[in-house]
Amino acid sequence: GQQVQQSPSSLVLQEGENAELQCNFSSTATQLQWFYQSPGGSLVSLLSNPSGTKHTGRLTSTTVTKERRSSLHISSSQTTDSGTYLCAIAPSNAKLTFGKGTKLSVKS
Amino acid sequence: EAAVTQSPRSKVAVTGGKVTLSCHQTNNHDYMYWYRQDTGHGLRLIHYSYVADSTEKGDIPDGYKASRPSQENFSLILELASLSQTAVYFCASSAAVQDTQYFGPGTRLLVL
Repeated sequence: GQQVQQSPSSLVLQEGENAELQCNFSSTATQLQWFYQSPGGSLVSLLSNPSGTKHTGRLTSTTVTKERRSSLHISSSQTTDSGTYLCAIAPSNAKLTFGKGTKLSVKS
Repeated sequence: EAAVTQSPRSKVAVTGGKVTLSCHQTNNHDYMYWYRQDTGHGLRLIHYSYVADSTEKGDIPDGYKASRPSQENFSLILELASLSQTAVYFCASSAAVQDTQYFGPGTRLLVL
């Protein structure tokens, strides 16, 4: 089956520093989403980026489909960015496969 | 903003008992999903549905049944709950296959 590997598994930053999160996947993906899971457990979609580069606020995602990798860049991190970032992919059907996530801690 | 609600938010069940988790969405979405989240495994798809009265198996369907009586409602049923089914369960919905999935708040299930 499909595999999604995220790195690093955890990351600690000082407020204001930038973060670079990686997602590598084992098969072709027509759908790729980045999610944020809060320390309380709630899940929200950050952006969908199956190919190319997308920006939203302080987030930039770059996906290189041929190389089966995606990155999520968080600029000027804030303490409220702390939580777990999940990458999920799907081929042409609805079945998303999730990575195990990168746990980000931003210290003030 | 998309709205997906789940009930109950937490539940303690006994081994061998029946558990029903409910999900309701007001997004007018065709697709609904049930995932479980365990430490070390991330989120895994149990069942999903793209139309009322029809459900599809996900990646880990064993031990679970699903029911989609209407577009808005999607239930996950554990006929004989087992210790290994202790987890956090998330429901999600999306308008179409490739669209963003919107998640509910999750249900913490503890099977004793």
